[in-house]
Amino acid sequence: NAGVTQTPKFRVLKTGQSMTLLCAQDMNHEYMYWYRQDPGMGLRLIHYSVGEGTTAKGEVPDGYNVSRLKKQNFLLGLESAAPSQTSVYFCASSYSQQGRETQYFGPGTRLLVL
Amino acid sequence: GNSVTQMEGPVTLSEEAFLTINCTYTATGYPSLFWYVQYPGEGLQLLLKATKADDKGSNKGFEATYRKETTSFHLEKGSVQVSDSAVYFCALPHSGGGADGLTFGKGTHLIIQP
Repeated sequence: NAGVTQTPKFRVLKTGQSMTLLCAQDMNHEYMYWYRQDPGMGLRLIHYSVGEGTTAKGEVPDGYNVSRLKKQNFLLGLESAAPSQTSVYFCASSYSQQGRETQYFGPGTRLLVL
Repeated sequence: GNSVTQMEGPVTLSEEAFLTINCTYTATGYPSLFWYVQYPGEGLQLLLKATKADDKGSNKGFEATYRKETTSFHLEKGSVQVSDSAVYFCALPHSGGGADGLTFGKGTHLIIQP
């Protein structure tokens, strides 16, 4: 099993450009999450999904959109990138909603917006 | 939502030293508590967890005890190794249900010198 994979690993964008980050998991998990990690801030939740076809906003959703058309994939879109979106993005998944469940993380996507 | 505070680093220790990283939380009820570790260039991975009060989570020589009286979940290791150098995050579910992701501390960068 590959676990959670993310594409791409690194990307440079110019302000105003758009892009989509792809997250895929092969563990048949219902729940998927997108976080961003910034220095001194820990990880903050952007959006999450509790199942195929569902999405919900997290702590910092502005400027991002998501889609979960297939259970195994969770896409994060930036319609018009801004320098403030320079960050490392992590996708995670878990089997159930119970708070005791472990979240499994991907290796991250480093995004630089110029 | 729930919140967590952990000591900020960097924390620099010599090999074989004793380690404590403090973590305190504010929560409704008694949520599960987690420690995640991030090695350089990688995503987060679960180090240990505790799902109820007085539980002790342990893994790879690390331990943490769920103390509801002091709302704490301090991470300890009796003898650290250079390979323990990483960033450590304390976390708990954002809300009681757990579906809306985890809330992370800001992370503690641990540096072990030979």
